[in-house]
Amino acid sequence: AQSVTQLDSHVSVSEGTPVLLRCNYSSSYSPSLFWYVQHPNKGLQLLLKYTSAATLVKGINGFEAEFKKSETSFHLTKPSAHMSDAAEYFCVVRVNKLTFGGGTRVLVKP
Amino acid sequence: GAVVSQHPSRVICKSGTSVKIECRSLDFQATTMFWYRQFPKQSLMLMATSNEGSKATYEQGVEKDKFLINHASLTLSTLTVTSAHPEDSSFYICSASEGGPYNEQFFGPGTRLTVL
Repeated sequence: AQSVTQLDSHVSVSEGTPVLLRCNYSSSYSPSLFWYVQHPNKGLQLLLKYTSAATLVKGINGFEAEFKKSETSFHLTKPSAHMSDAAEYFCVVRVNKLTFGGGTRVLVKP
Repeated sequence: GAVVSQHPSRVICKSGTSVKIECRSLDFQATTMFWYRQFPKQSLMLMATSNEGSKATYEQGVEKDKFLINHASLTLSTLTVTSAHPEDSSFYICSASEGGPYNEQFFGPGTRLTVL
């Protein structure tokens, strides 16, 4: 069985400050891990993915995530938030199918 | 990048009627398509996986006779909610992958279904 827990349902940051979205996973096998972003009225977009190569994964739009097996975590970070980063973010684990976390809504204040 | 569209984006129907939602891959051939359901303020739940020309594989707890899935071509899959009830109201999202279910999935924008 596999599961994903996103530790924060909402995160509020000021523009230009760092963003941290926390994700913990559980999996019986070595998983692939993903972060997706969902903007209103748009399809989910893949930000980055971990598939057992480098543990620090760089994605689009300045996002990156670090896979820590000992902590079963895959937290997403960005050094400087932009207004366009306001959206819903999903951490996803895949063994045989995609299993989504509950989502984190990011609010960016000017 | 790969684009997936859904139609309609919103639909309102009366209880007891059937509703069809289309999912199209616009610039690639989708050998596998997936249907998800997203409840308000909740995450996406996989409903079923379909391969072109084959019967869909439904997740546990999803009624296959209520949620009919057809994947008749490499660019089109349809989800029909039969005899809809208010509890079927939800956001339905499809995704598609090229070359098999373990390749990257590209997601459609979703369809908001409201059953009165």
